[in-house]
Amino acid sequence: QKEVEQNSGPLSVPEGAIASLNCTYSDRGSQSFFWYRQYSGKSPELIMFIYSNGDKEDGRFTAQLNKASQYVSLLIRDSQPSDSATYLCAADTGTASKLTFGTGTRLQVTL
Amino acid sequence: GAGVSQSPRYKVTKRGQDVALRCDPISGHVSLYWYRQALGQGPEFLTYFNYEAQQDKSGLPNDRFSAERPEGSISTLTIQRTEQRDSAMYRCASTLGATGELFFGEGSRLTVL
Repeated sequence: QKEVEQNSGPLSVPEGAIASLNCTYSDRGSQSFFWYRQYSGKSPELIMFIYSNGDKEDGRFTAQLNKASQYVSLLIRDSQPSDSATYLCAADTGTASKLTFGTGTRLQVTL
Repeated sequence: GAGVSQSPRYKVTKRGQDVALRCDPISGHVSLYWYRQALGQGPEFLTYFNYEAQQDKSGLPNDRFSAERPEGSISTLTIQRTEQRDSAMYRCASTLGATGELFFGEGSRLTVL
């Protein structure tokens, strides 16, 4: 069973702080990794993807990948209340867009 | 259309009835995916199409579930003889290419009584 594991949270951070979301995966064949954000009652939307080891930055978001450790993370700098949502980590399965999702981590940004 | 459209948004049915869930992908998107999402869980892959061809149906739970996309655009997911365990949010997604960027519809929430 190919799995993607996330802590379900909730992860609570104060406004302006850095939120760190983590994910591990079991399939060493996975090449691409994705972070989706899902607001309560809404559909998931892609915010970041990463293919290569190291860091990838996009605005306030940084995705980090360590294939040796099978570990993916998402950092959100200067967290805002509007960042409060569930963040889903996903890995490809060898077929692009056929993704295995984790259960998601619920992030709460407090005022 | 501007986004992925799914219908019905909510469906309540009695155990044993058949249901059909419809998905209209973003215009021009080649690939269409069906996922199922239980409360508090991430989406779970069911099946996907490139154009009208069903490429992978390995995620369909059993033979009561089927899907089609006859003209390479609109897709229908059919569940026959529904059971209570089929209750979930069924999400359709489309993508232009093999990028992993799935555009999800708002989902069809199925409740089987």
